[in-house]
Amino acid sequence: AQSVTQLDSQVPVFEEAPVELRCNYSSSVSVYLFWYVQYPNQGLQLLLKYLSGSTLVESINGFEAEFNKSQTSFHLRKPSVHISDTAEYFCAVSGDQGNLIFGKGTKLSVKP
Amino acid sequence: KAGVTQTPRYLIKTRGQQVTLSCSPISGHRSVSWYQQTPGQGLQFLFEYFSETQRNKGNFPGRFSGRQFSNSRSEMNVSTLELGDSALYLCASSSQGRSEAFFGQGTRLTVV
Repeated sequence: AQSVTQLDSQVPVFEEAPVELRCNYSSSVSVYLFWYVQYPNQGLQLLLKYLSGSTLVESINGFEAEFNKSQTSFHLRKPSVHISDTAEYFCAVSGDQGNLIFGKGTKLSVKP
Repeated sequence: KAGVTQTPRYLIKTRGQQVTLSCSPISGHRSVSWYQQTPGQGLQFLFEYFSETQRNKGNFPGRFSGRQFSNSRSEMNVSTLELGDSALYLCASSSQGRSEAFFGQGTRLTVV
């Protein structure tokens, strides 16, 4: 069965510092991977996706993630975080049936 | 293009009652999926509808059901509510099964 593991439940970081949120997955041959962000009392917003092609994918707000097939990872990185990046981040893999399988989430807390 | 719309945003129900939640997908999207989010279990897949047919189903009891109309709008019904059904219910739409999914703001259901 496919699964997603987010290795850190909480990540505190100071503003303008770099951050990495870790995600490992187990899956069959073809993999579609996603990062979603959730702000308090909101739904999920798609941050970035890997469907095929380049293993490095970027979002419009400075986040990037690299698909690493050999390590079955899809870690999310940002070189310099802002207070507004405080949120919960979910890694997800597209399951065999087409549904999304989510990790437990990582709460990113950016402190001034 | 309008996003995914879920109504209502908040609901309070009593144990034993039933509830219906509504989801209007992005125009042109034919796939609608439902997820339950709780602090303990995280994000769990309920079911997916595509062109008015349930295509996939998660591991939830039969009290949870849904349907999709010809205009792709979907409803989810929970009968005989239990305290444990208190959760954020999220609807997601996509153009086809395994592509990226776009989520609504969710319906916060509280069972008392």
